Amino acid sequence: GAGVSQTPSNKVTEKGKYVELRCDPISGHTALYWYRQSLGQGPEFLIYFQGTGAADDSGLPNDRFFAVRPEGSVSTLKIQRTERGDSAVYLCASSSPRAGGQSSYNEQFFGPGTRLTVL
Amino acid sequence: GQQVMQIPQYQHVQEGEDFTTYCNSSTTLSNIQWYKQRPGGHPVFLIQLVKSGEVKKQKRLTFQFGEAKKNSSLHITATQTTDVGTYFCARGQQTGANNLFFGTGTRLTVIP
Repeated sequence: GAGVSQTPSNKVTEKGKYVELRCDPISGHTALYWYRQSLGQGPEFLIYFQGTGAADDSGLPNDRFFAVRPEGSVSTLKIQRTERGDSAVYLCASSSPRAGGQSSYNEQFFGPGTRLTVL
Repeated sequence: GQQVMQIPQYQHVQEGEDFTTYCNSSTTLSNIQWYKQRPGGHPVFLIQLVKSGEVKKQKRLTFQFGEAKKNSSLHITATQTTDVGTYFCARGQQTGANNLFFGTGTRLTVIP
């Protein structure tokens, strides 16, 4: 079946502009995650949705970043007043409901990412 | 903190040589996952380890979880050019949420 998809694949914007990044998770996956990856670094957690609600948004760097998932499927990451430091690849991942008890986590399926460049 | 450290940061091996990457945490881990990211690609799940001292194998890949659950390793036997990429370990959130905290990664280059 279809994997996680993200649009656009590339986004170039100017400092101070607003951008929206979209993620389509795998059908039936209730958990959705946003990560950001800078060159040469590992993915950095931003926010996690369980269904429609943000279960953990502790990774959002500041209040310019916001994400929604109104119907529990597609999610949009919104960045206001973009800064050059926001340039990175934004990755979305989804997973099925957790199984296996407290200490195990289901694998996360990552999308291809959106490469954001802020000039 | 939440981060897990990986060593080495880079590794160049001749095709056919073995490769090992290590993942270390200052705190006890409830679980550890390993992902592979090819150049220009996205992370792909390899394995999850949960039990103390656990060892799992996938063909030429061997994954270990330390007895104290503070470290993990990935060993590749007889590397091939298809093994090229960055290998990340990732820890789960301790408080029950499912988000992952990724290590710094080890970038593997295989010289044919």
